[in-house]
Amino acid sequence: DVKVTQSSRYLVKRTGEKVFLECVQDMDHENMFWYRQDPGLGLRLIYFSYDVKMKEKGDIPEGYSVSREKKERFSLILESASTNQTSMYLCASSSGTGGFRETQYFGPGTRLLVL
Amino acid sequence: SQQGEEDPQALSIQEGENATMNCSYKTSINNLQWYRQNSGRGLVHLILIRSNEREKHSGRLRVTLDTSKKSSSLLITASRAADTASYFCATVLMNRDDKIIFGKGTRLHILP
Repeated sequence: DVKVTQSSRYLVKRTGEKVFLECVQDMDHENMFWYRQDPGLGLRLIYFSYDVKMKEKGDIPEGYSVSREKKERFSLILESASTNQTSMYLCASSSGTGGFRETQYFGPGTRLLVL
Repeated sequence: SQQGEEDPQALSIQEGENATMNCSYKTSINNLQWYRQNSGRGLVHLILIRSNEREKHSGRLRVTLDTSKKSSSLLITASRAADTASYFCATVLMNRDDKIIFGKGTRLHILP
């Protein structure tokens, strides 16, 4: 079975802190994605990556950056956390060259609270 | 309707009944995917249906796609308490570099 793990289930940070959310997949998938999920807004794509050291902006990249130094790991970075970044963050991965056309496998999510 | 909009927003049915959820979209798609999310957890992929397919089955799940009406439906037969979850459709667009757009979901509650 595909396994996507996220470093924390719950995280509490203060405004202005730099926050790292880590995601690791164990199936040698080429594609990795970061979403945030908010009530009433559904899932929104923040960043994605089709290959190591490659990144593409999603629909809401402002205030975030990403890093993909190894194929299995995709990190989301909040450079200076703000209260409006309080959310559920979901990482996903998929195989192949079809990008979004392939089935995505999600991690359990990280619920981030910024005070 | 918005791209990938589920209907109804919430649904409560008795255990053993069938549950039907619908998804409508606006622009041409490459494929449409259905996912389930248990409370506070990640999403789990259920079925992917391509634009040239009309129906797919997986166990108690049946998905239909009508591209002329730009709509899809997810049918869960003989519902169980474990089916209580939120269900999302996700459309992969043809004209936006294959970006994916998730709907806001249908919250399904199975009553004992």
